[in-house]
Amino acid sequence: DIQMTQSASSLSASIGDRVTITCRASQSISNYLNWYQQKPGKAPRLLIHAAFRLHSGVPSRFSGSGSGTDFTLTISGLQPEDLATYYCQQSYTAPFTFGPGTNVDIK
Amino acid sequence: QLQLQESGPGLVKPSETLSLTCTVSGGSITINSYYWGWIRQSPGKGLEWIATIYHDGTTYYNPSLRSRVTMSVDTSENQFSLKLSSVTAADTAVYYCARDYYHSGGGSDYWGQGTLVTVSS
Repeated sequence: DIQMTQSASSLSASIGDRVTITCRASQSISNYLNWYQQKPGKAPRLLIHAAFRLHSGVPSRFSGSGSGTDFTLTISGLQPEDLATYYCQQSYTAPFTFGPGTNVDIK
Repeated sequence: QLQLQESGPGLVKPSETLSLTCTVSGGSITINSYYWGWIRQSPGKGLEWIATIYHDGTTYYNPSLRSRVTMSVDTSENQFSLKLSSVTAADTAVYYCARDYYHSGGGSDYWGQGTLVTVSS
């Protein structure tokens, strides 16, 4: 199985800050990387697919980059509604594994 | 607007079989290029992909669960289902159904609200 890791389990930031969340795959997954946002008690929401493609309806302050094994999700100007846990997922090969998540809260 | 809704028992006894159904509305389950799957989340834990099915019955299973999992699709009812046998407390989780397009380089773009299944006697 491909293992997905995220560099931080949690991070604190202020409203308006630029926030960067990183994800690493245990082997190359090309650009088969998705990012999700999950708020408490809710289903995950797809933000980014194929490493950098913004999913329909997602605000443009969210962006993704990377390829191979290292990937980044950036929130340019953190908003109160962005408080959530963010997960990466590889869709390169089954089983389609997720990272452990990064919880973003307000400093 | 596509909607997915999970249904099934919220309590299952150890060693029994967990059975869930996902009903799709607002769109057809036979749409080309999209698959339908199950993902679970244990209390306070991360996400685990379980299995995915295409409307022609092609399935992909997580090897860690493969011996206990069966997925099926009913195109006439616009539904797909999950069966997980020989459950233990470790299978207690919120189970989500979702539409996915992993095979086209995408992710899971529509999700059900999730249903909590507790394994307990």
